[in-house]
Amino acid sequence: EVQLLESGGGLVQPGGSLRLSCAASGFSFSTNAMSWVRQAPGKGLEWVSGLGNSDVNTYYADSVKGRFTISRDSSKNTLYLQMNSLRAEDTAVYYCAKDIFWWAFDMWGQGTVVTVSS
Amino acid sequence: DIVLTQSPATLSLSPGERATLSCRAGQSVSSHLAWYQQKPGQSPRLLIYDASKRATGIPARFSGSGSGTDFTLTISSLEPEDFAVYYCQQGSNWPLTFGGGTKVEIK
Repeated sequence: EVQLLESGGGLVQPGGSLRLSCAASGFSFSTNAMSWVRQAPGKGLEWVSGLGNSDVNTYYADSVKGRFTISRDSSKNTLYLQMNSLRAEDTAVYYCAKDIFWWAFDMWGQGTVVTVSS
Repeated sequence: DIVLTQSPATLSLSPGERATLSCRAGQSVSSHLAWYQQKPGQSPRLLIYDASKRATGIPARFSGSGSGTDFTLTISSLEPEDFAVYYCQQGSNWPLTFGGGTKVEIK
């Protein structure tokens, strides 16, 4: 069974850092493209970052470029999102998602909540 | 960035009726368009990818069509569990983008 389980969310002050993790199982994680998608309270979905199947290619939304870093540890079947210089507007539920074809996402985790507030 | 415009914002229908949701892209995304369903408190669920391919386990009442800039998600006969918010998403160009969503509510 394909599963994605996020962790690492929490309350952080503006300017602080968090690292989100997404534990994957049930598929070939090391060769599958993955993304992070977020959803601010009461709002729609916003793609944040993507990692290609070879790990060479990383992609970011303009709103997080230079502050967030996506990576994976295939030995641990875990996807990460390092978030630095956090802002209030980064407050959201963060989902990791598995690509099926041309960046359509056929599996999503349950989400982890990030709150940026003083 | 490719802007995806979904219409209508809200669709009020009764169970058994046909739902037609639209997604228009600001420039061509070829067939690289997906549709998702999201219910309150739940993660999104993939319904359609590559514009018209049903994801695993998705009932046949859901269908997608279109290419280029104009896409449609059709629910042939609404079941009670289909009342939710629906998002389109393009995978053709970076950054990936989602539409603003269409809420299908019970009339």
